[in-house]
Amino acid sequence: GAGVSQSPRYKVTKRGQDVALRCDPISGHVSLYWYRQALGQGPEFLTYFNYEAQQDKSGLPNDRFSAERPEGSISTLTIQRTEQRDSAMYRCASSLGLPGGNQPQHFGDGTRLSIL
Amino acid sequence: GQSLEQPSEVTAVEGAIVQINCTYQTSGFYGLSWYQQHDGGAPTFLSYNGLDGLEETGRFSSFLSRSDSYGYLLLQELQMKDSASYFCAVLGDTGRRALTFGSGTRLQVQP
Repeated sequence: GAGVSQSPRYKVTKRGQDVALRCDPISGHVSLYWYRQALGQGPEFLTYFNYEAQQDKSGLPNDRFSAERPEGSISTLTIQRTEQRDSAMYRCASSLGLPGGNQPQHFGDGTRLSIL
Repeated sequence: GQSLEQPSEVTAVEGAIVQINCTYQTSGFYGLSWYQQHDGGAPTFLSYNGLDGLEETGRFSSFLSRSDSYGYLLLQELQMKDSASYFCAVLGDTGRRALTFGSGTRLQVQP
């Protein structure tokens, strides 16, 4: 497809398990962003990449969260030892160029993560 | 840090004009963007203002005053399909080069 693709769409797992969320950006897009969105709130920045380099991970809540984009395309957000407070919608976005106001970010449909 | 304020809800009738305001406080400022999100959908880009003034895109316009740390989104000739949440977002020019979003304004368009 032409848009940002995220998988799985829904993930339900038990507390303490590790989860990996995948993002396939629009082909050719240089920058990739991860956000977390609570119901009724705006997306909250987690981390972003330019090509394969992680430029900013200051939004990751703690060291249980990590992300990679090894070949500058697909990215994986990993949450280790999940906790109930990690339950949220996780969204990925990509932009054609490096971050700039006139670089629209194209969002995926997200992964709804539920921790039991 | 960065913070944005926008009204939580706005209601208007079909065919009317509505303005959604956004004030921001940032340690650096690069520009103000607006995104639309329908229930159950993904945010989609609407507009961007890097300089003071009005940007027009069809029925939607966006305004920025950097000196007042203020912007707004203007929606004209409202249609039912415009019922959605609207987020302003800022891109800081220092440190974090990623968007910080407001908490959103839920617009309900009534017949």
